[in-house]
Amino acid sequence: GEQVEQLPSILRVQEGSSASINCSYEDSASNYFPWYKQEPGENPKLIIDIRSNMERKQIQELIVLLDKKAKRFSLHITDTQPGDSAMYFCAASAGGGNNKLTFGQGTVLSVIP
Amino acid sequence: EAAVTQSPRNKVTVTGGNVTLSCRQTNSHNYMYWYRQDTGHGLRLIHYSYGAGNLQIGDVPDGYKATRTTQEDFFLLLELASPSQTSLYFCASSDGEETLYFGSGTRLTVL
Repeated sequence: GEQVEQLPSILRVQEGSSASINCSYEDSASNYFPWYKQEPGENPKLIIDIRSNMERKQIQELIVLLDKKAKRFSLHITDTQPGDSAMYFCAASAGGGNNKLTFGQGTVLSVIP
Repeated sequence: EAAVTQSPRNKVTVTGGNVTLSCRQTNSHNYMYWYRQDTGHGLRLIHYSYGAGNLQIGDVPDGYKATRTTQEDFFLLLELASPSQTSLYFCASSDGEETLYFGSGTRLTVL
């Protein structure tokens, strides 16, 4: 099955700087790559996703990049704020309707005021 | 937004105990999932279902059974709980359009 590796596991940045999280996957059939944010004590929620027909997607301060040849994708948060402090998960899916997502190990992001 | 309700929120049992975790979704989603969350492992899929009566094996199924009794209800069963099953369990649902909607989680401790 699919394997997703996510790094770093812990990330600390100064408020206003950028944060980057990187993921790699193994299954070339994977075509859907979402990112979920989990705030302390809460459940994970989808924040942005990208499909294999795109290389870049941006929603406000969130940018996702996809390199299909290298089987890598990444999340970049520009101008980080304390509210961005959370656990972030990347995931990959081959689609097909069953939406069997394989998640990365997670990154704990701390934004230091 | 999809409503997914899990119960109980917290559960403590002993080794060898019998535990049932419940999940109900009220948005007519066909797909439901059980994940466990552990530090260093992220979210790992235990079992999932396409609809009532259907069950699919996930990536870490050992020691777990599941049953989907209706479109709304999905249960996770631990018949002989072990300390390695101490974890935070999340149920999720999806309409097949790829976004997962998670419940609030059940924290299970096996002593």
